[in-house]
Amino acid sequence: EPEVTQTPSHQVTQMGQEVILRCVPISNHLYFYWYRQILGQKVEFLVSFYNNEISEKSEIFDDQFSVERPDGSNFTLKIRSTKLEDSAMYFCASSKGVNTGELFFGEGSRLTVL
Amino acid sequence: GENVEQHPSTLSVQEGDSAVIKCTYSDSASNYFPWYKQELGKGPQLIIDIRSNVGEKKDQRIAVTLNKTAKHFSLHITETQPEDSAVYFCAATANFGNEKLTFGTGTRLTIIP
Repeated sequence: EPEVTQTPSHQVTQMGQEVILRCVPISNHLYFYWYRQILGQKVEFLVSFYNNEISEKSEIFDDQFSVERPDGSNFTLKIRSTKLEDSAMYFCASSKGVNTGELFFGEGSRLTVL
Repeated sequence: GENVEQHPSTLSVQEGDSAVIKCTYSDSASNYFPWYKQELGKGPQLIIDIRSNVGEKKDQRIAVTLNKTAKHFSLHITETQPEDSAVYFCAATANFGNEKLTFGTGTRLTIIP
């Protein structure tokens, strides 16, 4: 069964460092998303991406965050200068397209900022 | 923006009994309500969803009901089994097709053998 894959599964970084989280969405999906989940809290929307551009972003997704689809398979989330409060589980998700409803989530990348 | 409240935060039921989790939403424009199951160390997985033009949907032991007037929706799991133990999240969106989901705070369901 096709699945969304994410790397790394866990990354530890120092405050102020740049981090790139990588995702390979399901191959025939057209919409891509990043969500995050701070430990013990709800899953929060960060950004959606379609047709090589951001379609929507939340207040959390400030100038420190960026997304990119550098080739036909990868979808990345970059955090330019990490803060302690960026520590969370980051989930990539994808969906087939309009009127499908279902998001398929990856297993997440746990980011720990020290 | 949308706000989704979810209750209870924890729920323990005897194996074979039913479990009910309730959510309320604030945005009357919301039109799509999925439920996700999250097992330890994994990403959320869709288990059932409902569109706003339907009042109830059932899939084997799982059912979801929606009351648009009251702006609440519920997940019902019957004949619970140990493998139902997980964290369950409700979500809502007014952007069906874009899937900017607003999630509830989650319910940790424990099935007691």
